[in-house]
Amino acid sequence: AQKVTQAQTEISVVEKEDVTLDCVYETRDTTYYLFWYKQPPSGELVFLIRRNSFDEQNEISGRYSWNFQKSTSSFNFTITASQVVDSAVYFCALSEARGSAGNNRKLIWGLGTSLAVNP
Amino acid sequence: DGGITQSPKYLFRKEGQNVTLSCEQNLNHDAMYWYRQDPGQGLRLIYYSQIVNDFQKGDIAEGYSVSREKKESFPLTVTSAQKNPTAFYLCASSPRTGSAATNEKLFFGSGTQLSVL
Repeated sequence: AQKVTQAQTEISVVEKEDVTLDCVYETRDTTYYLFWYKQPPSGELVFLIRRNSFDEQNEISGRYSWNFQKSTSSFNFTITASQVVDSAVYFCALSEARGSAGNNRKLIWGLGTSLAVNP
Repeated sequence: DGGITQSPKYLFRKEGQNVTLSCEQNLNHDAMYWYRQDPGQGLRLIYYSQIVNDFQKGDIAEGYSVSREKKESFPLTVTSAQKNPTAFYLCASSPRTGSAATNEKLFFGSGTQLSVL
């Protein structure tokens, strides 16, 4: 069965600390996509990144970086020099890119990690 | 500005009442989705629509109904049959449909918090 596990329910750090949010997934497919979304206190989820299963290059975007390791089925997210504005709930999600038609595919969501960055 | 607008931001339902949550998008996206978010449970898919006049049940459709009469609008009705409606409801859209839809990033509205009186 497909599954996404975000083992860290809540993390609290002090501003300027680095923090890593873990995401472990399970899938039987060889082709799939992984996502990270941010949900700030306003409620709206904001897309951060999409990675397909054939691209294991790590990605860096400013203070954000993502480490994709197929060998451990993990897609971890690191915030460097955290800021108060990074306080949010972060969701990891999995989508399987099966070639067959059909509308019962959907995103599999983790339960989220609530990050609090304190001044 | 293009985006998804959900209204109202807060909604209260009385016992036995149906209530409708609005979701409008001006992104010209084909696919639209409704998610329910409960504390500690992540996002669960209620309904989705890939084209006007067509929609599909998600994982927790019981007690909910939707319509898609216009491309830009996908209202969700929480019926009296939904016995535990208190939750945060999120509407989302994506540009593509069919097998590619779930590989696309989603654009979300700011949500509606529904509570029971």
